[in-house]
Amino acid sequence: AQSVTQLGSHVSVSEGALVLLRCNYSSSVPPYLFWYVQYPNQGLQLLLKYTTGATLVKGINGFEAEFKKSETSFHLTKPSAHMSDAAEYFCAVSEDGGFKTIFGAGTRLFVKA
Amino acid sequence: SAVISQKPSRDICQRGTSLTIQCQVDSQVTMMFWYRQQPGQSLTLIATANQGSEATYESGFVIDKFPISRPNLTFSTLTVSNLSPEDSSIYLCSGGDQTGETQYFGPGTRLLVL
Repeated sequence: AQSVTQLGSHVSVSEGALVLLRCNYSSSVPPYLFWYVQYPNQGLQLLLKYTTGATLVKGINGFEAEFKKSETSFHLTKPSAHMSDAAEYFCAVSEDGGFKTIFGAGTRLFVKA
Repeated sequence: SAVISQKPSRDICQRGTSLTIQCQVDSQVTMMFWYRQQPGQSLTLIATANQGSEATYESGFVIDKFPISRPNLTFSTLTVSNLSPEDSSIYLCSGGDQTGETQYFGPGTRLLVL
């Protein structure tokens, strides 16, 4: 069965600092991996995804994530945080070609001025 | 890509009543799903909406409480029945594209049960 673990329910960084949000997954077959962002009172927006091919994937708003099979990880990074990055971030995994997605508990990112 | 809309965007309901949420996709999607996001929590999959047949429910969710219809490839409804305050959540519809690599989410329906 699939599962997703996001380490840290809350992460706080200073503006301009590195953002690192951790995600580990469990899957019996090669997974599809996703990061979504949810701004207050809004729906989910896809940041980036890994399906096959290059393990370093780039997404919107300067975010990127690296799929590391040996570590079963898919951590999300951004070199320099911006105030507008403050939001809830969800890591997600699917096995059946993206047809059924399981979400992590979410990490709330706070950005300090 | 696909754009998904939901109606209503929010509602306040009395306990014991029911609310039906509509989900419309602007293009055909292979799969449609319904999720619940309880306050301050992550998304939990309720069920997969199957076209023309009964939905496939996840553990902890039953058809009597969450009847779902999907009469065609672009439309689905979720009814939350016999409402209680514990049903106060955001309900999200999603659709998977033909490649199976991307899932699109609706904006959600915010339900408050008094």
